[in-house]
Amino acid sequence: QVQLVQSGAEVKKPGSSVKVSCKASGGTLNKFAISWVRQAPGQGLEWIGGIVAIFGTTKYAQKFQGRVTITTDQFTSTADMELSSLTSEDTAVYFCASSSGYVIEYFNQWGQGTLVTVSS
Amino acid sequence: EIVLTQSPDTLSLSPGERATLSCRASQSVSSSYLAWYQQKPGQAPRLLIYGASSRATGIPDRFSGSGSGTDFTLTITRLEPEDFAVYYCQQYGSSPRTFGQGTKVEIK
Repeated sequence: QVQLVQSGAEVKKPGSSVKVSCKASGGTLNKFAISWVRQAPGQGLEWIGGIVAIFGTTKYAQKFQGRVTITTDQFTSTADMELSSLTSEDTAVYFCASSSGYVIEYFNQWGQGTLVTVSS
Repeated sequence: EIVLTQSPDTLSLSPGERATLSCRASQSVSSSYLAWYQQKPGQAPRLLIYGASSRATGIPDRFSGSGSGTDFTLTITRLEPEDFAVYYCQQYGSSPRTFGQGTKVEIK
């Protein structure tokens, strides 16, 4: 079974950007849709957006439209999420999660999470 | 956007008891495209139920899901010590995908 392994914790200044990576270990991203979900400290889950890897098509939550970019690299089986214009409200654990097939639906596999801290 | 409201916020029960968690949608969830997840502190969520009532691989049969339209339920028939956690519902029938705010099942 493919495992999703994320990049390490980040500390960023307000106004800057962060890129978080998610590597599919033991398989290829071509069979999946990858989403990014975040969780602020002590809060619930929030879907940011996703990509159907084989087509490269993306969907973003309107809240993040214009500020987030999700891409995949099929050669390295890696999905990246870049979030710009960071504020303290973006401090959260960011998870990548996969949906089987070519639709962003329920999430049957999750990465371990990446803590992004935004602080001056 | 479909808003999911879970109730109660916290459920205080003893091991062996039955847990009933509710998830209500602000509009009908098409084709019962609703999932449930369990999350323990410091861990990623784990898929329990998809399609409102189908158990994910490896999920014990004490977990069951039901419902359609706007009202969905997750039932845990006999709570085991490892079941005390936070549970989220999520709809994937329309975009954006949305989650409920979570129900914490705690030991009484």
